[in-house]
Amino acid sequence: DVKVTQSSRYLVKRTGEKVFLECVQDMDHENMFWYRQDPGLGLRLIYFSYDVKMKEKGDIPEGYSVSREKKERFSLILESASTNQTSMYLCASRNLGGYYSYEQYFGPGTRLTVT
Amino acid sequence: SQQGEEDPQALSIQEGENATMNCSYKTSINNLQWYRQNSGRGLVHLILIRSNEREKHSGRLRVTLDTSKKSSSLLITASRAADTASYFCATPLGGGYNKLIFGAGTRLAVHP
Repeated sequence: DVKVTQSSRYLVKRTGEKVFLECVQDMDHENMFWYRQDPGLGLRLIYFSYDVKMKEKGDIPEGYSVSREKKERFSLILESASTNQTSMYLCASRNLGGYYSYEQYFGPGTRLTVT
Repeated sequence: SQQGEEDPQALSIQEGENATMNCSYKTSINNLQWYRQNSGRGLVHLILIRSNEREKHSGRLRVTLDTSKKSSSLLITASRAADTASYFCATPLGGGYNKLIFGAGTRLAVHP
């Protein structure tokens, strides 16, 4: 079974802190994604990476950056945390498929609170 | 922008009843996926239906796709309390990296 793990289930940080959220997958997937989930808004894509050291902005990249130095690990960085970044953060990975888009495998999520 | 939008936003039923959720989307797709999320957890892929398919079954799940109406439905038959979760449809936005666009979800509550 594919396993996607996230470094923390719950995290509380102060405004202005630099925050690192780590995600690791064990199935050698090329693509990895970071989403945030807020009530009534569904999942919104922050960044994704299609391979090591490759990244592309999603729909809401402002205030975030990412790092992918190794294939299995994709990190989301909040450069200076703000209260409006309080949210559930979900990491996902996907095997690079052909014409049809294959399913994404999600981690358990990190609930981040910025005070 | 949201590609997929689920309807209803919330659904409450008794165990043993069927639950139907609908999803509408805006642009042409090559597939549509349904995911389940238990409270406070990550999403789990349930089923994928391709654009050339009209109906697909997986256990107690039945998914239909009507590309002319740009809509899909997810039917859960003989529901159980363990089916209580949020259900999301997701469609690929296109392009080379197959970004998925998720709707806001339907919250299903199944009461014993």
